[in-house]
Amino acid sequence: GAVVSQHPSRVICKSGTSVKIECRSLDFQATTMFWYRQFPKQSLMLMATSNEGSKATYEQGVEKDKFLINHASLTLSTLTVTSAHPEDSSFYICSAVSSVTSTDTQYFGPGTRLTVL
Amino acid sequence: GQQVMQIPQYQHVQEGEDFTTYCNSSTTLSNIQWYKQRPGGHPVFLIQLVKSGEVKKQKRLTFQFGEAKKNSSLHITATQTTDVGTYFCAQGGRSQGNLIFGKGTKLSVKP
Repeated sequence: GAVVSQHPSRVICKSGTSVKIECRSLDFQATTMFWYRQFPKQSLMLMATSNEGSKATYEQGVEKDKFLINHASLTLSTLTVTSAHPEDSSFYICSAVSSVTSTDTQYFGPGTRLTVL
Repeated sequence: GQQVMQIPQYQHVQEGEDFTTYCNSSTTLSNIQWYKQRPGGHPVFLIQLVKSGEVKKQKRLTFQFGEAKKNSSLHITATQTTDVGTYFCAQGGRSQGNLIFGKGTKLSVKP
């Protein structure tokens, strides 16, 4: 149980285009999902907290107009990187917390590797 | 904000040797979680420690939470090549809204 999927797993795009990444909790409901970014050889850095039915909460230094987050249902959150630039190339990972259990366990998706040319 | 410092950054061991990674905080932690990330993969939850002085074991892995809840360690006995990866400690969680990760310890195991 507690499977989180991400789509796509890899994406290569041209500079200036927008890319949408989907995060789904497959066998549980998640009122809260998190989006992280991981640059090569570095730790995961939280970008934003996505709450179902409300606006996302962004960490300091993360542009909300550039990284659009939509959490339209209890099993789906999307991250759209708008007007992508080469410096946005990174590994984007989402995680979800079950709405039912009382633990703080976050279940991570497999990640999306974004390369902006 | 709260930070967790993790050492060492890298550890190279011969298969069969033991391995330990340490996580330290200047402030008291409500909990500590440990994750393993295989090369090219995503973090996989290993365990959560909540109580002061708590010790938990998973086969060859031993996790400890300090008495003051300011430090934690992960010890692997007799490493195997399957243990290769980066081990992260993280603190926080849903009650605090997010996880704050340490920088990780990258373990390589030479067969």
